Formats: sequence, C-alpha cells, structure tokens
Amino acid sequence: DQQVKQNSPSLSVQEGRISILNCDYTNSMFDYFLWYKKYPAEGPTFLISISSIKDKNEDGRFTVFLNKSAKHLSLHIVPSQPGDSAVYFCAARPLTGNQFYFGTGTSLTVIP
Amino acid sequence: DSGVTQTPKHLITATGQRVTLRCSPRSGDLSVYWYQQSLDQGLQFLIQYYNGEERAKGNILERFSAQQFPDLHSELNLSSLELGDSALYFCASSVAVSSYEQYFGPGTRLTVT
Repeated sequence: DQQVKQNSPSLSVQEGRISILNCDYTNSMFDYFLWYKKYPAEGPTFLISISSIKDKNEDGRFTVFLNKSAKHLSLHIVPSQPGDSAVYFCAARPLTGNQFYFGTGTSLTVIP
Repeated sequence: DSGVTQTPKHLITATGQRVTLRCSPRSGDLSVYWYQQSLDQGLQFLIQYYNGEERAKGNILERFSAQQFPDLHSELNLSSLELGDSALYFCASSVAVSSYEQYFGPGTRLTVT
C-alpha cells in the first residue's frame, strides 16, 4: 500500500520557468514531510522539509506547500536551472515511529 | 559527499545465494536505516538500528536480516536470494533515533541472476 504517491513520473520545464512537483499522501497521521533530490549513481540528498503545523516553507529557490485538508504537498522551484535536473522524492513521517514513507519519485528535466 | 559509505557498489550473484551489504554511517551518527529501491518503485524502508539496537522495522522479508556493530557500522544480510531481490539498497544515517533528516549513502546495486 503506497501511502505516499507521486503520480507524475516525469516533468520537463524550460530553464528560468517554474517547476512544480506534486505529492499526495493517504495517512492523516503524517506530521513531517520532506523532499529529497537524487542524481544518478548517488544517494538521495535532503532538499527541504515542512512540519504539519505549517502550510509553507521556503528556502531560496525552493518552496514547499502543504495542504493538509487535501493531503497534498508540492515543491516549487523557481527559477528552474539545468542543474536541478534530477529525480525528486517526496517522503513523510508519522507523529509516532521512525519510519519514513517515500514516493516513487518524479524525474525533472530542465531544458536549457 | 554525504559521509555515508556503502560497499560494495555493485554485486552480481545467483539465485539461492547469500550476500552481505555494508554501511558506515556519518561520523557521530548513531542511527542507521536500510532501504530497498526496486525498479520504478520508491524507497521502501526495511529496518532501523540505533546504537546497536533495532528500533523500527518495515517491510523486511524474513530472508533478510541486519545488525549494527559497536563501531556503528551496519550490515544487511540477504539470503536465499530471488530474482525479485534485484534492487538498489540504500543505507542512511542520522544523529538521533528520531531525526527528521537522514543522510544517504550512494547505494549498492544488487543483481540476482
């Protein structure tokens, strides 16, 4: 049972435009959400996170939005750069327990 | 470089065999997590150790086992291997037992033929 879903396997955007990556979850007990970025032949690296008590967190070009009522979060990258081309994983953790649940990833390609 | 090391990088073995994957966490990190990423799948949590003790268990098969040693490195043992066990296996580490940030190693690609 996939509790965290990324329904878009891939996304292409032009350099300088906004990239929007989406993630849906089913477990209302999730209280912390993260985005990881993964380049080929490397492990995922932490990008940005958000607590369930917030609806927005911003870090430079990256902003994560959380809509708890819709059980949906999104990652906005603006402006997109070719170096942002990677696979992005959404992850969530429940209030109790140490297990992280990951989505299947979205492959972002930023076209110069 | 996350500071987490995994060996070997690649492993090719036959069905029915047993393999051991090794992970060294970042300096100072006490928690180690193991994940499996099969083709077109997200990272599936397998198991977590903290300071030598098992702390959380995910969808880990009975054929798989893990341990964390006194020097904090961890090993994931996979036995009676099946074709479906072919995957990327990632190790991650964090400072505390319940940290929000995990630091991932580069992974071990296991191919079972």
